[in-house]
Amino acid sequence: GAVVSQHPSRVICKSGTSVKIECRSLDFQATTMFWYRQFPKQSLMLMATSNEGSKATYEQGVEKDKFLINHASLTLSTLTVTSAHPEDSSFYICSARDLRDTGPYGYTFGSGTRLTVV
Amino acid sequence: GQNIDQPTEMTATEGAIVQINCTYQTSGFNGLFWYQQHAGEAPTFLSYNVLDGLEEKGRFSSFLSRSKGYSYLLLKELQMKDSASYLCAVDNAGNMLTFGGGTRLMVKP
Repeated sequence: GAVVSQHPSRVICKSGTSVKIECRSLDFQATTMFWYRQFPKQSLMLMATSNEGSKATYEQGVEKDKFLINHASLTLSTLTVTSAHPEDSSFYICSARDLRDTGPYGYTFGSGTRLTVV
Repeated sequence: GQNIDQPTEMTATEGAIVQINCTYQTSGFNGLFWYQQHAGEAPTFLSYNVLDGLEEKGRFSSFLSRSKGYSYLLLKELQMKDSASYLCAVDNAGNMLTFGGGTRLMVKP
């Protein structure tokens, strides 16, 4: 089945630095990538949607200059948290979709990244 | 707008049956998903309903009523490992998923 590889799984960074999270679709072409953030004991909140070769569409309240998303190829999307602050500490999950797969299994999640900003 | 509601927490006994409800109001509908998520891990796909009725898969079943905007996930013969969060999500035909708040299920001996 479809696999999405997300790295790193855990990262600790100092306040004010930037962190890059990668998601790769290993055996399919991810025409669309979704980035979610999840705080403890809460559900997944969509941050942004990106289509290959296009600018990402950000959800209301998500700062596009702080959370930089690049989807330059059909197999790779990156999320860069710039000038990270402790309140950015969260669990970040990507999900990839091949729009040519119209079935229910068309959404594939990465394994998540636990970001801790100290 | 999109609104997906599910209970925040539920507790059940090992070996019993539990039903987790989900109600939704979305601008479009192209199917409803149930996912299981253990703490610190990514969601795992459990079921998908796009037509009304019951879908059964082993110990897990999922029901959908589109006219009522309602779904439930039924877990039978509960096991301790079933303690997790269960997420209801709707594909609103915009090729994206909108998640409910999740239901934390605790299975007790």
